[in-house]
Amino acid sequence: EPEVTQTPSHQVTQMGQEVILRCVPISNHLYFYWYRQILGQKVEFLVSFYNNEISEKSEIFDDQFSVERPDGSNFTLKIRSTKLEDSAMYFCASRTHTTNYGYTFGSGTRLTVV
Amino acid sequence: GENVEQHPSTLSVQEGDSAVIKCTYSDSASNYFPWYKQELGKGPQLIIDIRSNVGEKKDQRIAVTLNKTAKHFSLHITETQPEDSAVYFCAAFLSNDYKLSFGAGTTVTVRA
Repeated sequence: EPEVTQTPSHQVTQMGQEVILRCVPISNHLYFYWYRQILGQKVEFLVSFYNNEISEKSEIFDDQFSVERPDGSNFTLKIRSTKLEDSAMYFCASRTHTTNYGYTFGSGTRLTVV
Repeated sequence: GENVEQHPSTLSVQEGDSAVIKCTYSDSASNYFPWYKQELGKGPQLIIDIRSNVGEKKDQRIAVTLNKTAKHFSLHITETQPEDSAVYFCAAFLSNDYKLSFGAGTTVTVRA
C-alpha cells in the first residue's frame, strides 16, 4: 500500500537553529499538508500546498515557517529559527486530486528544541 | 472555522466489551468525517470514515454513525481486543477549504 514517508523520525535541535523536515508524499497525490501535534494536544493544521503554492495556512504558520516542493517528489517544512514551543510531532499528509477525501498521513517527525 | 469536540478523553474497557467515542462539530458545511487510530510513535491511521450523505457505516467490529441534524458522530468498537488500545481521533472535513479539523483524542485502554 502506498505510504507517505517522513524523515528524520526524530530531530533534536538547539533553539534558534534552522530545521528542515522532509516528506515524500504518495506519487500521484497533488495536495500536500503539514500538521502538528504538541504532546498531549490536538493534531493542528499548519499549511496546505497545491500546484506549487500555499493554498491555506493557519495562524501558527508564521514567517518562521516555509514549505517547498523542490524537486517534484519531496515536500519540505522549514522552521527558520526554532523556539522551544516548536517542539512537537510534525505530520505530513497527502491526498489525491480525484476526491476531496482520502488523506494519508506519514508517521511523523518528532522535533525536540532544546 | 470548524471546531470539533470529542468525548471522553480516556476510556477503559474490559476485553470483549464495546467502546463508544462521541464527537460534535460546529460547521454544518462539513461533509466528511474520518476516524483515525494513533499508536505510540506513529502517525494517524484512517480506520473508518463516513460522508454526510450516509447515516451509518460498518466495517467488521467498527461502526460509525452520523447525525447531521444534531451535528454529531460516533465511533463504536465492538468485542474490543487488547490491540484496540490506542488514541482515537475524530475529524471533520470542510469541503470548501480541504483541511481536517481534529478532535482532542480519546485514549482507549482495553483491559485483558
